[in-house]
Amino acid sequence: GNSVTQMEGPVTLSEEAFLTINCTYTATGYPSLFWYVQYPGEGLQLLLKATKADDKGSNKGFEATYRKETTSFHLEKGSVQVSDSAVYFCALNPGGGADGLTFGKGTHLIIQP
Amino acid sequence: NAGVTQTPKFRVLKTGQSMTLLCAQDMNHEYMYWYRQDPGMGLRLIHYSVGEGTTAKGEVPDGYNVSRLKKQNFLLGLESAAPSQTSVYFCASSYRVAYEQYFGPGTRLTVT
Repeated sequence: GNSVTQMEGPVTLSEEAFLTINCTYTATGYPSLFWYVQYPGEGLQLLLKATKADDKGSNKGFEATYRKETTSFHLEKGSVQVSDSAVYFCALNPGGGADGLTFGKGTHLIIQP
Repeated sequence: NAGVTQTPKFRVLKTGQSMTLLCAQDMNHEYMYWYRQDPGMGLRLIHYSVGEGTTAKGEVPDGYNVSRLKKQNFLLGLESAAPSQTSVYFCASSYRVAYEQYFGPGTRLTVT
């Protein structure tokens, strides 16, 4: 079946540090890959996406590259801010069917000033 | 354009009580989904719908029922609530299958 594995948190960094949150997946076919962010007390917001191998998604200084050879979609940001503190979810949509997204368990990111 | 809205935002039920959670979207999306979010578990799909009048089971459907009588609305029902259904429930919608999903703000349900 489909699955997403991401690093468990919490991850604590200082402001302006470099961020990497690892995400690997297992899926049949050619899934689309997503990163969602959830701020305290809110729903999930799409952060970025990639729909095919070697695509790079980017938004708000965050980037992730769809690596089919390593089945990975790691999230990176060069210089984090306190406002980036949130829970980040990696997810995949296997395509071909409509049965929703498969999510990782989420990574809680804490940025200290 | 409100996007995806959910009512209520919070609810406390006693074991055995019933309730309905309402999800509404104004983006004319065909696909709608109900997820539950539990600590350390990520989000898990309960039921989904590929269009008006259709529903299908997701990963964790037991104890829930759904209906999609109108394209813009997707209802999630609990007929006899159990403490194991204490969770945060999220509704989502998408235009097409592989497209991104848009999420509502969530409903926090506690069953005592």
